[in-house]
Amino acid sequence: DTAVSQTPKYLVTQMGNDKSIKCEQNLGHDTMYWYKQDSKKFLKIMFSYNNKELIINETVPNRFSPKSPDKAHLNLHINSLELGDSAVYFCASSQRTSGGHSSTDTQYFGPGTRLTVL
Amino acid sequence: AQKITQTQPGMFVQEKEAVTLDCTYDTSDPSYGLFWYKQPSSGEMIFLIYQGSYDQQNATEGRYSLNFQKARKSANLVISASQLGDSAMYFCAIGGATNKLIFGTGTLLAVQP
Repeated sequence: DTAVSQTPKYLVTQMGNDKSIKCEQNLGHDTMYWYKQDSKKFLKIMFSYNNKELIINETVPNRFSPKSPDKAHLNLHINSLELGDSAVYFCASSQRTSGGHSSTDTQYFGPGTRLTVL
Repeated sequence: AQKITQTQPGMFVQEKEAVTLDCTYDTSDPSYGLFWYKQPSSGEMIFLIYQGSYDQQNATEGRYSLNFQKARKSANLVISASQLGDSAMYFCAIGGATNKLIFGTGTLLAVQP
């Protein structure tokens, strides 16, 4: 029944390691997103994919690489992890992006992945 | 550029009373949407309510209503009949042409019995 799921829920790793977070949605949505929530609870968009095509790429270090094998999945791979990467990462999805905004643009979030870099 | 301002870092409300959480926004997009999300201590982000910029009526969802004043660029969330389970962080957000959400800094609501 889960709409947007993420694995793992918790990720603890050493500096310099490479890790991936997986996201899947079963809502039939066209668009998926990655957001980062820092220790002060501030949420910021990182990436957005629409039907496997990258449409938003904020000023995120090249060490972060999203991959969308199909429109139901958007994974986040992080190379050479740094202490500052410690945060909660949220995946989200919406039915469509649009030039004119409507309720179908509502984004539904996954449970989050808490990444701790030691 | 879009911006959301939430000026109340924390709020207290008595159980069963109504509470208003403030949100003002700025955008140059002619069409946009305003959202409120709830984040309880367990960490998930729960969608509460949506208001489109061209919607004539204020949005309502159960005990949640959005007081949308377009000329003032405000989109305040009203929670009626507060419950203990409403204690959480509340985020206002705006989405425009690209639909990336810009979030405010949040308001931590504590409901007191």
